[in-house]
Amino acid sequence: DAGVIQSPRHEVTEMGQEVTLRCKPISGHDYLFWYRQTMMRGLELLIYFNNNVPIDDSGMPEDRFSAKMPNASFSTLKIQPSEPRDSAVYFCASRRGSSYNEQFFGPGTRLTVL
Amino acid sequence: AQSVSQHNHHVILSEAASLELGCNYSYGGTVNLFWYVQYPGQHLQLLLKYFSGDPLVKGIKGFEAEFIKSKFSFNLRKPSVQWSDTAEYFCAVKTGGSYIPTFGRGTSLIVHP
Repeated sequence: DAGVIQSPRHEVTEMGQEVTLRCKPISGHDYLFWYRQTMMRGLELLIYFNNNVPIDDSGMPEDRFSAKMPNASFSTLKIQPSEPRDSAVYFCASRRGSSYNEQFFGPGTRLTVL
Repeated sequence: AQSVSQHNHHVILSEAASLELGCNYSYGGTVNLFWYVQYPGQHLQLLLKYFSGDPLVKGIKGFEAEFIKSKFSFNLRKPSVQWSDTAEYFCAVKTGGSYIPTFGRGTSLIVHP
């Protein structure tokens, strides 16, 4: 298996622009997680899905952030409009079934908002 | 809600030195415990995990961790570090009533050759 795939790997954009981050989970995994990593706040859970349904989005910073999972093999995290404080590395992770199983992380998208 | 504390934010060691990274959590019930490692420029990978049984858990690359229930701790250890152990280390805790683990803020380890 190719593992969790994220695109793009790097994104540089200007303040006010829309940013879309993409994730393809490992086939057969029914949980998908979006995390944000910054120096100041460490690793934060933004939202997670189970069987394509958002379960907990309490970590989403504000209404500028939205996430969708239209099918079992694809998810997006969108920021509109983007702000410099959104600059971070965004990780997607997936897991199969039981919470006893480990999460497999993608390589991350490094976002820079100028 | 449970919280996870990693007291050491930055650790600098020389090769062959012994390592111990602290991890404490706040939940008093059944817990599942994980250590993840993130090498420079890479994604997080599982280092080891504890669910039940022997509280001393052996992981990959010579790492081990000990679950001490009375101290609410799950410290990561390695007797002799290598330059290639330079990475960020994350402790994560999942409580019995939760579907997902809570991650600590991470400890940055730098090993000088």
